[in-house]
Amino acid sequence: ETGVTQTPRHLVMGMTNKKSLKCEQHLGHNAMYWYKQSAKKPLELMFVYSLEERVENNSVPSRFSPECPNSSHLFLHLHTLQPEDSALYLCASSQDTSGGGMYNEQFFGPGTRLTVL
Amino acid sequence: GIQVEQSPPDLILQEGANSTLRCNFSDSVNNLQWFHQNPWGQLINLFYIPSGTKQNGRLSATTVATERYSLLYISSSQTTDSGVYFCAVVNSGNTPLVFGKGTRLSVIA
Repeated sequence: ETGVTQTPRHLVMGMTNKKSLKCEQHLGHNAMYWYKQSAKKPLELMFVYSLEERVENNSVPSRFSPECPNSSHLFLHLHTLQPEDSALYLCASSQDTSGGGMYNEQFFGPGTRLTVL
Repeated sequence: GIQVEQSPPDLILQEGANSTLRCNFSDSVNNLQWFHQNPWGQLINLFYIPSGTKQNGRLSATTVATERYSLLYISSSQTTDSGVYFCAVVNSGNTPLVFGKGTRLSVIA
C-alpha cells in the first residue's frame, strides 16, 4: 500500500448504528487530519492530530469521536448520526516540522462516502 | 479568517484547449496547494506552491504571494482532466488549510 488509504470506501448506516472509519498513511508523516465534504460546501476541517495528540477540533458534534493510536493510523468513530451528516469524509496526512504541521504539504486518501438513513 | 476565492466556478472546454484557473486569497500565506478531485472523490495533489512557478507535464502553476493570487494553467486539455480543481491555503500562524469552493472543469471530446 502506498500513500493514504481509507476504509470503507462506502458506508450506509442507520441513525442508531455505531460504525468506524479507518485511515492509514504509509508516508512516514506525523500529522493526520479528518475533513468533511458535503454537497456544495467547501471542505471543512474536523480534527487534527500531531504526534498523536489532538491539536484542533473545529467544534465538531460529539457524535463524531476521533482516535489516533499511533502516527500511522486514524479512526473516526460514529454513533447516532443524523441524515445531514451524510458526506464524503477525507483523511489527510503531513509531516509536522514546526510544531503545528499545517504549513506542510498535505496528502489525501480516497475518502469514505457516508450515507445516513 | 482568510478568504479564498476561485474563478471561474465552472468551465467547459473542448479537448485540446488551454485554460487558466485563478485563486485569490485575502491574506499572506505560508502554504498553497492545488488539488484535482476526480469523479470518485479522490483529491490528487497537483502543486505545493506558496510562491514561484512550477511545471508538471501539461500543468503549471504560478503563485504571486505579494499580490495574493495563484494561477493554474492546463494546456492541451484531455477528458481525464475533468473534475473539480481546488486551491487551498495556510495563513501565517498556526492555522489550518482553508479551501476555496473549487472550479468545476468539464472537457468534452
